[in-house]
Amino acid sequence: DTAVSQTPKYLVTQMGNDKSIKCEQNLGHDTMYWYKQDSKKFLKIMFSYNNKELIINETVPNRFSPKSPDKAHLNLHINSLELGDSAVYFCASSQELAGGPQRDTQYFGPGTRLTVL
Amino acid sequence: AQKVTQAQTEISVVEKEDVTLDCVYETRDTTYYLFWYKQPPSGELVFLIRRNSFDEQNEISGRYSWNFQKSTSSFNFTITASQVVDSAVYFCALSDPYNTDKLIFGTGTRLQVFP
Repeated sequence: DTAVSQTPKYLVTQMGNDKSIKCEQNLGHDTMYWYKQDSKKFLKIMFSYNNKELIINETVPNRFSPKSPDKAHLNLHINSLELGDSAVYFCASSQELAGGPQRDTQYFGPGTRLTVL
Repeated sequence: AQKVTQAQTEISVVEKEDVTLDCVYETRDTTYYLFWYKQPPSGELVFLIRRNSFDEQNEISGRYSWNFQKSTSSFNFTITASQVVDSAVYFCALSDPYNTDKLIFGTGTRLQVFP
């Protein structure tokens, strides 16, 4: 059973196009995240959603729009793709620990490698 | 500001050698978690360990061990008797518990284990 899944695994597209990446988790977690890993392997958070509500938006261009139809899904839509958007995008999920505010370990999806030509 | 530093960008060892990956962190929070993740050549991020800031006990899991020292703000990772399958990029990360536990990653250490 795949805990956190992403589709597609690879995405190659032209500059200016609009594309989406989908993420689903079957762990029953209440929080989901998008991270970006650049060509130098640096990982940085982009967004987090808690129970379908946007919690973190880390100075990401507004061409990136996350959408959470339910707490098991967090999709990432990117408008007007640019060369600099080429990266690996990771989805992750976690669950709030009893007593809060901390959350349990974040588990990551397999990543989506986006190449913008 | 929170920060994680992995000063070693790349380490090469021969199989069966022991290797230690360094991680130094900065935070003003008194409560936080530290993590290690492994990214093998296949690209996925594999969770290895999570350590609470209040628990400074060292941990051992098979050939892996972790040394957490708050006095030096370090959370180092040692692989004993390394194997070729240990070749990967290893990331140390710090959570921000008051910001949905977003993870702040170090820049990673690429470990290459040669036969």
